[in-house]
Amino acid sequence: EADIYQTPRYLVIGTGKKITLECSQTMGHDKMYWYQQDPGMELHLIHYSYGVNSTEKGDLSSESTVSRIRTEHFPLTLESARPSHTSQYLCASSESHNRGVEQYFGPGTRLTVT
Amino acid sequence: KNQVEQSPQSLIILEGKNCTLQCNYTVSPFSNLRWYKQDTGRGPVSLTIMTFSENTKSNGRYTATLDADTKQSSLHITASQLSDSASYICVVSDRGSTLGRLYFGRGTQLTVWP
Repeated sequence: EADIYQTPRYLVIGTGKKITLECSQTMGHDKMYWYQQDPGMELHLIHYSYGVNSTEKGDLSSESTVSRIRTEHFPLTLESARPSHTSQYLCASSESHNRGVEQYFGPGTRLTVT
Repeated sequence: KNQVEQSPQSLIILEGKNCTLQCNYTVSPFSNLRWYKQDTGRGPVSLTIMTFSENTKSNGRYTATLDADTKQSSLHITASQLSDSASYICVVSDRGSTLGRLYFGRGTQLTVWP
């Protein structure tokens, strides 16, 4: 089983609140990713990082932001949550550069904004 | 446009029976194809990964096939078990970017009944 962790697993929060979804991995992977997944739909890449101090936006536009201060930690922040942010957020990591390497996923955070 | 299409969208089978899930893709240039299993409320877990030169790969009761000429893949599950109930996601990686961008299908929701 992959050593990648996400907290909280479930979060219900009111509109306008600031939230941070935590993701950490103990595998020493350089690349980390955030995906958004709605029920019955495909995963969409919203952020990724090649390594410390590297962050890029993914395919799907997102109002969230990310930071990568430490290799093992890749938190995602929403400054002001809205009901449209309700979704499942999945964090993943992989060894750097080789396209054939595995992406390991965390268990996900189910976010509900009321 | 790079796409990954899976069929059927959902499938119900009886415990002990075999089943085959399909994946068609238009991703180009092709790098590799992966099948993931995603249990409800969890992150995806890799089952197989195949490159252009591989046309079959097994992982226990799971056997994936790849026809790179027709851009089709299948995942065959033998002697299904209740624990096989999950979403099975086909993911294709391209060679056209340094990130090794992943294109996700929407998954086939498999339910195994006793």
